Amino acid sequence: GENVEQHPSTLSVQEGDSAVIKCTYSDSASNYFPWYKQELGKGPQLIIDIRSNVGEKKDQRIAVTLNKTAKHFSLHITETQPEDSAVYFCAAPRSSASKIIFGSGTRLSIRP
Amino acid sequence: GAGVSQSPSNKVTEKGKDVELRCDPISGHTALYWYRQSLGQGLEFLIYFQGNSAPDKSGLPSDRFSAERTGGSVSTLTIQRTQQEDSAVYLCASSLQTSGGSYEQYFGPGTRLTVT
Repeated sequence: GENVEQHPSTLSVQEGDSAVIKCTYSDSASNYFPWYKQELGKGPQLIIDIRSNVGEKKDQRIAVTLNKTAKHFSLHITETQPEDSAVYFCAAPRSSASKIIFGSGTRLSIRP
Repeated sequence: GAGVSQSPSNKVTEKGKDVELRCDPISGHTALYWYRQSLGQGLEFLIYFQGNSAPDKSGLPSDRFSAERTGGSVSTLTIQRTQQEDSAVYLCASSLQTSGGSYEQYFGPGTRLTVT
């Protein structure tokens, strides 16, 4: 069956430093890997996604890398700022279906 | 444009009562999902509707939980005989499924359910 594992569960970094969150998935047919950010009291919001035909995608301070052979993908946030503090979820679709399986989440805290 | 809306935003109910939670997806979105999020936890998949297909109910935790989606739009999640462990935030999301595989889910703000 499908499974998405996410690490670490909590992460604290100094403002200005980089943060990296990693996920692994089990279904080799998965071809779409989104990352969601959830701020306190709100629903998750898509911040970046990557498809299996590329290895890396960047959007300003955020980047996602994908290693299909190893079945893992990572979120990289550079020059972290206080507003980056939130819970981040990775996800992957179950093969041949649109059902998305979410990781368990990473609570990121940015220290001033 | 309008996003996904959910009502009520907060619901307090007594143990044993039935509750109904409503989700209004983004107009034109064919897929609709319900998730449950306990305090400080991840997203627990409950049920998934896609167009006119039979819903994927594989995440419903017990037969006290049910959901329907009328006319391919509004959805209602019903919890019968509520228990204290049902207390959580219930999130709804909708998605515009395309042949190219657009899976972005747009989440509502959630309904916080408290069972006393």
